[in-house]
Amino acid sequence: KAGVTQTPRYLIKTRGQQVTLSCSPISGHRSVSWYQQTPGQGLQFLFEYFSETQRNKGNFPGRFSGRQFSNSRSEMNVSTLELGDSALYLCASSSTGTVDNEQFFGPGTRLTVL
Amino acid sequence: KQEVTQIPAALSVPEGENLVLNCSFTDSAIYNLQWFRQDPGKGLTSLLLIQSSQREQTSGRLNASLDKSSGRSTLYIAASQPGDSATYLCAVGSSNTGKLIFGQGTTLQVKP
Repeated sequence: KAGVTQTPRYLIKTRGQQVTLSCSPISGHRSVSWYQQTPGQGLQFLFEYFSETQRNKGNFPGRFSGRQFSNSRSEMNVSTLELGDSALYLCASSSTGTVDNEQFFGPGTRLTVL
Repeated sequence: KQEVTQIPAALSVPEGENLVLNCSFTDSAIYNLQWFRQDPGKGLTSLLLIQSSQREQTSGRLNASLDKSSGRSTLYIAASQPGDSATYLCAVGSSNTGKLIFGQGTTLQVKP
């Protein structure tokens, strides 16, 4: 089975721009979660989608949004980028849910905001 | 509020040593605890998942234990190898918030 894939792997943007990241879960998995990882804050939960519905969200501003498609692929969007948004963005998939099942992570997208 | 702490933050050992990484959490209302490995700049690789009803899990040279009542988990690595060098993260699945809460990780260096 193919693992979780994320595209693109690297992105460089300037302040004020917007960005869209993509995540394809393991085949058959219906839950996709997104995390932001920075050296100072560690891994922080952004949101979780299950069957195209946002089921849980973390404490991030509304500039961070996401969606999930009928094939379980998910995208996250960050609008009006700030320098502090520079981070590794990771997505994880699981068969049914964020916390009651094993999470499988993708390689991440490294976003640099200049 | 669930908080997860990992001690030590960094560890350096000679090859062949057995070692223990520690993870503590403040709220015992958890579904499970998962240990991950992260290589520099890469994603997370799942190592072991322990359900809240379990006491330990083993995979090869790795053994993870869980003591929910005391809020502690340990990851035991036997006969460490240079290839084990990475950051090890523990995460608890909180049954109160429905979120996976991560510790800050322990960065392990195994010297040949």
